[in-house]
Amino acid sequence: EAQVTQNPRYLITVTGKKLTVTCSQNMNHEYMSWYRQDPGLGLRQIYYSMNVEVTDKGDVPEGYKVSRKEKRNFPLILESPSPNQTSLYFCASSLSGRWEAYEQYFGPGTRLTVT
Amino acid sequence: KNQVEQSPQSLIILEGKNCTLQCNYTVSPFSNLRWYKQDTGRGPVSLTIMTFSENTKSNGRYTATLDADTKQSSLHITASQLSDSASYICVVSPLSGGSYIPTFGRGTSLIVHP
Repeated sequence: EAQVTQNPRYLITVTGKKLTVTCSQNMNHEYMSWYRQDPGLGLRQIYYSMNVEVTDKGDVPEGYKVSRKEKRNFPLILESPSPNQTSLYFCASSLSGRWEAYEQYFGPGTRLTVT
Repeated sequence: KNQVEQSPQSLIILEGKNCTLQCNYTVSPFSNLRWYKQDTGRGPVSLTIMTFSENTKSNGRYTATLDADTKQSSLHITASQLSDSASYICVVSPLSGGSYIPTFGRGTSLIVHP
């Protein structure tokens, strides 16, 4: 089944403890991205990747890191999480970054709480 | 700054009724406009994609329209079902210098009552 998977789905952690949220897609998509969703706000893009080894900042990249060493994986790294990073996170992928042409598929989400 | 405004913020309708959701945007020039459906606690699922040259796009009971001159889009849901209860999100992507950062609206929360 074609899908985007994220792990973990739920995570509670403490301030300053490094964590990684994994994202994997099995559709051979070139484009992958991370979003956060907060109550009352629209989804906001954190980072995106047009292809392997190519990443770029989205609207809200502060406090996050990403890497794209393989086409299928795009982990999100929080080196020193803070409470304002408590949010619902979505990974997404698309065949190409050419937005006019291709669907974007979202993962199931990771709910992160930083205390 | 690029903005996408959706209205109403929330909407309650009876099963079987039609409804229309609105999206106004300031993104210009834009590449495409998308409508997503997001069930509570789940990732968004694409309903329609329209480029600037398209006026309407249908997906079953969902029909999206686009007026690029007034920078407005609407999503019309026909013969609503209980399963239509969800948040509907309008997303506009820019067409400028290779930027692929989309702007998401805050969504319209639709509740369909039996």
